[in-house]
Amino acid sequence: EDQVTQSPEALRLQEGESSSLNCSYTVSGLRGLFWYRQDPGKGPEFLFTLYSAGEEKEKERLKATLTKKESFLHITAPKPEDSATYLCAVQAANVYNFNKFYFGSGTKLNVKP
Amino acid sequence: GAVVSQHPSRVICKSGTSVKIECRSLDFQATTMFWYRQFPKQSLMLMATSNEGSKATYEQGVEKDKFLINHASLTLSTLTVTSAHPEDSSFYICSARGSSSLRAVGEQFFGPGTRLTVL
Repeated sequence: EDQVTQSPEALRLQEGESSSLNCSYTVSGLRGLFWYRQDPGKGPEFLFTLYSAGEEKEKERLKATLTKKESFLHITAPKPEDSATYLCAVQAANVYNFNKFYFGSGTKLNVKP
Repeated sequence: GAVVSQHPSRVICKSGTSVKIECRSLDFQATTMFWYRQFPKQSLMLMATSNEGSKATYEQGVEKDKFLINHASLTLSTLTVTSAHPEDSSFYICSARGSSSLRAVGEQFFGPGTRLTVL
């Protein structure tokens, strides 16, 4: 069964304290892995797409990496405005619904000044 | 680019009434749109997938007669919650994927969500 697990569930950091969020996946063929940021009461905001193992993407203080089993979202020197819930989703090679995204439960990041 | 809007952002209705939520892709054509619901402190739950001009595909456990989805054009999909009850209160979010994705793989762009409260 296709499954996505994110850890930790919650993470508290001091401003400037770098860390990583994990997204582990079990899917029958990976079409794409996606990272989103969601602020309270808002829809998810797209961050990155990764398609194959070894791929990396960067945007400001965020860097996403991908292996055959998991993805990491590295946050370097975070600021309070990086506080949000980060969601990971995978699109699997599912012949019945190839459009479907499988979402993890998210990591709630809180960056203290 | 890739902006998706939803209307209304918040709605309060009485039990038994129907509520329509609109989802629009503002700067791209969306061949596929998705409807999710999200309960507090939980992740997104896919309700249905709709392709322009065809019937929506509902996820297991989602009542198609209660949650009516119409995707009449490449920029508009609507979700109608019929005979709403308090347990339907939730945060409903739509997303859209563009028609330019030839590999049928591509990011979904999300709307800002609609908070539905049924009294």
